[in-house]
Amino acid sequence: AQSVAQPEDQVNVAEGNPLTVKCTYSVSGNPYLFWYVQYPNRGLQFLLKYITGDNLVKGSYGFEAEFNKSQTSFHLKKPSALVSDSALYFCAVRDDAGGTSYGKLTFGQGTILTVHP
Amino acid sequence: DAGVIQSPRHEVTEMGQEVTLRCKPISGHDYLFWYRQTMMRGLELLIYFNNNVPIDDSGMPEDRFSAKMPNASFSTLKIQPSEPRDSAVYFCASSRTGLNTDTQYFGPGTRLTVL
Repeated sequence: AQSVAQPEDQVNVAEGNPLTVKCTYSVSGNPYLFWYVQYPNRGLQFLLKYITGDNLVKGSYGFEAEFNKSQTSFHLKKPSALVSDSALYFCAVRDDAGGTSYGKLTFGQGTILTVHP
Repeated sequence: DAGVIQSPRHEVTEMGQEVTLRCKPISGHDYLFWYRQTMMRGLELLIYFNNNVPIDDSGMPEDRFSAKMPNASFSTLKIQPSEPRDSAVYFCASSRTGLNTDTQYFGPGTRLTVL
């Protein structure tokens, strides 16, 4: 079984400050991990993913995420937040153990990020 | 590439009416997913298809919901009869096995309001 948790419903940060949106996961095999962003009245947009290799993954709009196997975490980060980064962020996971979950992502509940001017 | 296309973008209907939501996946993608998003329950996977065949429909809430994928470029999600608690935003997403496997691309969604 695969699951993902986003422990914070909301994150508030001042523009220019670094931001972190947290995600932890649980899988049977090795994880495929994703971050998506949703702006108001829009569909989810893919930001970045970790499959294998470097633990630090770089994605769109200056975002990056760090895979930590021992802590089963995949936190989203950005060195300097912009007001335009304000949105709903989803973490998602797939277990590479395959079987009936092949192709299926499990999404977290989402974290609302608000960047204040 | 036009991305995932959904229609209609907004649908307002009365309780008891049939509602049909439509989705055109990205050309060449072999997986198609239907999700529902509400404030209370977040993002829920309803059903997904691989090569037009339903793989997992365990998320379909009840028999009033049905989904079909008659060909690789079209899918429908039908609710009959609709109820006020079905009001939500319904998303379709598609992905492709291979080099970029598992990255799902979402459509803009259909906002359904059942009065």
